[in-house]
Amino acid sequence: SAVISQKPSRDICQRGTSLTIQCQVDSQVTMMFWYRQQPGQSLTLIATANQGSEATYESGFVIDKFPISRPNLTFSTLTVSNMSPEDSSIYLCSAGTGGPGELFFGEGSRLTVL
Amino acid sequence: GQQVMQIPQYQHVQEGEDFTTYCNSSTTLSNIQWYKQRPGGHPVFLIQLVKSGEVKKQKRLTFQFGEAKKNSSLHITATQTTDVGTYFCAGRYGNKLVFGAGTILRVKS
Repeated sequence: SAVISQKPSRDICQRGTSLTIQCQVDSQVTMMFWYRQQPGQSLTLIATANQGSEATYESGFVIDKFPISRPNLTFSTLTVSNMSPEDSSIYLCSAGTGGPGELFFGEGSRLTVL
Repeated sequence: GQQVMQIPQYQHVQEGEDFTTYCNSSTTLSNIQWYKQRPGGHPVFLIQLVKSGEVKKQKRLTFQFGEAKKNSSLHITATQTTDVGTYFCAGRYGNKLVFGAGTILRVKS
């Protein structure tokens, strides 16, 4: 199994600013992903964080808005840039050991944009 | 694109009643996983189904994977208040997991 720590756990931000969310896994994992979840809604995959290279983004998400880094196997960051109220959501980091295995999730970062 | 449909959206049952949620994919899945998310919590893995027609049980929970590997179900027998939460199915397409909309389960005691 893997324990995933995310910070901040929550934040209130002003429109037009940017926020970086950090994700740390306690063991080496192959895959890391970032999801977004509106309260009471499902999880939407933003991107796959690739170690040492550019992330792979899903349709509707772009690097300029959601830059992602993954400098090593156990750490990743997601930045939400030029925020607007529509970006208010819970952002979840997840990790897996690759192949068909389960995903482990962090506690999430609840972002509110005013 | 890849999409997993899940129904019902919401179910409110009396404690002791059974509960079922269903998932369906338009394309064949390599596997399907089920997660539970308690209110205010994060998704937690329950089980993974890989084989066509597979059935797995965890105490009062029964998971099924369809013969065509396009649909799945989760059945809870004799619900308890500890079962409350949102149950998500997630279909695997390559390295990606695509989540269904989730079924919110509320249990009246």
